[in-house]
Amino acid sequence: DAKTTQPTSMDCAEGRAANLPCNHSTISGNEYVYWYRQIHSQGPQYIIHGLKNNETNEMASLIITEDRKSSTLILPHATLRDTAVYYCIVRVSKAAGNKLTFGGGTRVLVKP
Amino acid sequence: DSGVTQTPKHLITATGQRVTLRCSPRSGDLSVYWYQQSLDQGLQFLIQYYNGEERAKGNILERFSAQQFPDLHSELNLSSLELGDSALYFCASSDSGQGAGELFFGEGSRLTVL
Repeated sequence: DAKTTQPTSMDCAEGRAANLPCNHSTISGNEYVYWYRQIHSQGPQYIIHGLKNNETNEMASLIITEDRKSSTLILPHATLRDTAVYYCIVRVSKAAGNKLTFGGGTRVLVKP
Repeated sequence: DSGVTQTPKHLITATGQRVTLRCSPRSGDLSVYWYQQSLDQGLQFLIQYYNGEERAKGNILERFSAQQFPDLHSELNLSSLELGDSALYFCASSDSGQGAGELFFGEGSRLTVL
């Protein structure tokens, strides 16, 4: 699985959009981009995933560049409950049987 | 609630002892994954089972073992415990490939070795 690079930490203001970047320059054509988050020692939580098209769900939006070498997770209106560590992961296939390899993630602090 | 149940939530034991952590996956999920999270190591993949068979192995120590039973629940056995084994142990499950392939994590078992 391709490696990812994320900023170690970032702050954002409550109510504003939070844009979390991720670089995955060695991503292969069959690798998906997944985002998970972990809120203070709870189990990691799936947020969103994509292959090459931009994706949106009730939690966030995922923007993947055309060359697929980087992506941005957007939390449209950050709340204090969004304070967490966010992990960007690339993974060979969405099929069962493929583990997730977690890096250091980005520690996001949402401030009032 | 992810649907994945882990017991016990907290466990305190002494060095040299043996413990068993239990995981019940979401209904219908065939894959179970075990992860270890200690303060200085982040989330480390230990092992994965699929429908009772070992599918992938990560950085799992020889003192640790796991299995998945016919009812699909899984147990992680940790023996000859050392202080450094103190960590959060997460179990996750995933479906058989029909969905997006995301992993659903339990709330973890916090092991403290004194």
